Amino acid sequence: GIQVEQSPPDLILQEGANSTLRCNFSDSVNNLQWFHQNPWGQLINLFYIPSGTKQNGRLSATTVATERYSLLYISSSQTTDSGVYFCAVVASGTYKYIFGTGTRLKVLA
Amino acid sequence: GAVVSQHPSRVICKSGTSVKIECRSLDFQATTMFWYRQFPKQSLMLMATSNEGSKATYEQGVEKDKFLINHASLTLSTLTVTSAHPEDSSFYICSVPGRSGGLETQYFGPGTRLLVL
Repeated sequence: GIQVEQSPPDLILQEGANSTLRCNFSDSVNNLQWFHQNPWGQLINLFYIPSGTKQNGRLSATTVATERYSLLYISSSQTTDSGVYFCAVVASGTYKYIFGTGTRLKVLA
Repeated sequence: GAVVSQHPSRVICKSGTSVKIECRSLDFQATTMFWYRQFPKQSLMLMATSNEGSKATYEQGVEKDKFLINHASLTLSTLTVTSAHPEDSSFYICSVPGRSGGLETQYFGPGTRLLVL
């Protein structure tokens, strides 16, 4: 089955810093989403981005489907950005979400 | 987007007991729901697909007799962990497929933390 790897696995930032999170996937996909899991476990949808670039406030994402990767950019990080970031993909020909390994982010005040 | 609830939010039980977790789609009907499991500091793993009016579809390695799924109505799916053991302690999350902005997505419940003593 499709493999979804995220890097880095852990990231510590000072408040105000910028960061880039990466998601690599091993096969073609129909869908790709980025999620933020807050400390209480709730998954919050950030972007639906099977291809192209999107921006929402301090967050933006880019997916290059032909090269099988997606990037999530966080600018001017805040302590509330702390948590785990997951990308999830739906492989072509399936309907199931496969979650990546996650990036655990901690933003220090 | 859709609103998905889960009950209970957390449960502690003794080894050998059964625990039922409910997943409700509050504002639209869902013929399909998904159940995930997340162990501490790990990713979400799809356990099974719950189908209204028919049997659930389980992922490889998930025991269907241990994790009973019932999708009795278009707004409710239940996951019963039978004869729970400490290794079943985990965070269980359900999701409901939908559409947002014309695109397919999934809406996730808040999760249920299970601790088996």
